[in-house]
Amino acid sequence: DTAVSQTPKYLVTQMGNDKSIKCEQNLGHDTMYWYKQDSKKFLKIMFSYNNKELIINETVPNRFSPKSPDKAHLNLHINSLELGDSAVYFCASSHRTKAGSNYGYTFGSGTRLTVV
Amino acid sequence: DAKTTQPPSMDCAEGRAANLPCNHSTISGNEYVYWYRQIHSQGPQYIIHGLKNNETNEMASLIITEDRKSSTLILPHATLRDTAVYYCIVRSGISNFGNEKLTFGTGTRLTIIP
Repeated sequence: DTAVSQTPKYLVTQMGNDKSIKCEQNLGHDTMYWYKQDSKKFLKIMFSYNNKELIINETVPNRFSPKSPDKAHLNLHINSLELGDSAVYFCASSHRTKAGSNYGYTFGSGTRLTVV
Repeated sequence: DAKTTQPPSMDCAEGRAANLPCNHSTISGNEYVYWYRQIHSQGPQYIIHGLKNNETNEMASLIITEDRKSSTLILPHATLRDTAVYYCIVRSGISNFGNEKLTFGTGTRLTIIP
């Protein structure tokens, strides 16, 4: 009964390929996110969705396209993969609660993408 | 969100208290201090957060100075499993429907020494 689950855990692919990473949360949260952690370990937000609506889109190349079929799922599709896309991608979810709470912010265990 | 400054690394002996400092001199009145940690490239894990009062939970204590310009995370009895990168994050406590992003800095790499 993992709260935020991502698949696959590891993904090795060649440059130019198209790949998807899936994320599902069973916490009943209404917001989901994608974060990217590069080789220097900087962790940065890429997208957020609230009730299937795109809220945050942080200057990410348009080769990256998130899709949220419902509140519990947020997938990340990447076209024409490049070497620089190699990173660990984390999915997260949260829920709007009272001000000053942690919103139940929960991260998945990550997908390590390696582009060769 | 206000910027935070943390030492890049710290060591602590197993069983001792680990005290991790964070400076956030530009914090504004409605911003909270949050602490997360990341163990060996796992997803970040929430530890604790506070506004101006000291806070304690089952994982840690958070001490915030009276002027709120700095804080200290205290792990009272560090174990080897506490070895991780610890992130201090300052952000508004106001929720804005999907805009609750976390801005991570470089964090402090805490190593617990047996």
